[in-house]
Amino acid sequence: GENVEQHPSTLSVQEGDSAVIKCTYSDSASNYFPWYKQELGKGPQLIIDIRSNVGEKKDQRIAVTLNKTAKHFSLHITETQPEDSAVYFCAASGSGGSYIPTFGRGTSLIVHP
Amino acid sequence: DVKVTQSSRYLVKRTGEKVFLECVQDMDHENMFWYRQDPGLGLRLIYFSYDVKMKEKGDIPEGYSVSREKKERFSLILESASTNQTSMYLCASSYNSYEQYFGPGTRLTVT
Repeated sequence: GENVEQHPSTLSVQEGDSAVIKCTYSDSASNYFPWYKQELGKGPQLIIDIRSNVGEKKDQRIAVTLNKTAKHFSLHITETQPEDSAVYFCAASGSGGSYIPTFGRGTSLIVHP
Repeated sequence: DVKVTQSSRYLVKRTGEKVFLECVQDMDHENMFWYRQDPGLGLRLIYFSYDVKMKEKGDIPEGYSVSREKKERFSLILESASTNQTSMYLCASSYNSYEQYFGPGTRLTVT
């Protein structure tokens, strides 16, 4: 089955800096890669996703890049703000038509004002 | 807006008790999921259901069962709670897409 590795487990940045979280996956047939943000006391919420026919996707201060050959994808947050502090999860799915995601272990992002 | 609600935010139970965690979604989604979340381990799939009365085991089904009698409701059952089931439990639902909508979670403590 699919295996998703996520790094780093903790990331501490100053407000205004950029943050990058990286994930690798094992199943080359996976074709959907979402990122979820989990704020304290809440469930995860989708913030951006990318499909395997696209190399990069942007939405304001967040972007995701995908390298299918290397089987890795990354979340980029620019001009970080304290409200970006949360746990971020990457996931991979789509192999064999399955919609069941395999999640990474999560990254705790702390943005210091 | 899709809304997924879970019956309790916090729950404390004793070892050996039967525990029911309930999840309700209001968007007519076919697919529903139960995960447990533990520090450093991410989200691990316990069970999922793609239709009423249908259920499939996830990665860690041991010690759990589920029930889906109505489309909007998916229950997780701990037949005999044990201390190693102390965790955060998250319910999610999805339609014919890959995006999942999560509830706020139930933090279960088994003493």
